[in-house]
Amino acid sequence: DTGVSQDPRHKITKRGQNVTFRCDPISEHNRLYWYRQTLGQGPEFLTYFQNEAQLEKSRLLSDRFSAERPKGSFSTLEIQRTEQGDSAMYLCASSSVDRGDEKLFFGSGTQLSVL
Amino acid sequence: AQSVTQLGSHVSVSEGALVLLRCNYSSSVPPYLFWYVQYPNQGLQLLLKYTSAATLVKGINGFEAEFKKSETSFHLTKPSAHMSDAAEYFCAVTPSGGSYIPTFGRGTSLIVHP
Repeated sequence: DTGVSQDPRHKITKRGQNVTFRCDPISEHNRLYWYRQTLGQGPEFLTYFQNEAQLEKSRLLSDRFSAERPKGSFSTLEIQRTEQGDSAMYLCASSSVDRGDEKLFFGSGTQLSVL
Repeated sequence: AQSVTQLGSHVSVSEGALVLLRCNYSSSVPPYLFWYVQYPNQGLQLLLKYTSAATLVKGINGFEAEFKKSETSFHLTKPSAHMSDAAEYFCAVTPSGGSYIPTFGRGTSLIVHP
């Protein structure tokens, strides 16, 4: 069990550029979540996958955001035409079963700064 | 819909003093409740969870929390703070039905003074 890994740890980009983040969940975990965290706030839900199916998206997720999880393994989160308001920590988490009492395993996050 | 309120964005205690971090929830169905801790430059990790088996839940590092349905609360306590407890603490709620998506509170930063 190597934990949830996210890449890159930090990303600095200029407004209007596209960025892509990657998340590798714990092997065999079928649920994968993306959250966004800004300073002084808790994680806010963006979207989640069960295996390769994207089952729910938050209203926070504008059409500039897209997430994929091909083959039900790693996931990518892409932000097109970045805006300064996109600056945040993007967190990925995974869990092994489809139950509400199951804990999430979090990665260390990708810190995005949009200049 | 569910939500979580954490009272106090910062809590400051002296080493050896009682730690009390407050969490109140609202949920339309009986929830599952969690406390996560986040140390600097690390991901969130589970401290403890309530799943209806017992109202007093013990977690790692000496922390415990009590589920009080009448008060819709799930406060986190530790009898004696240690310097290593300084971190950000998040309360989270997941409904017992539906899509099981956790909703997090805004967090409480615990500061421990020597």
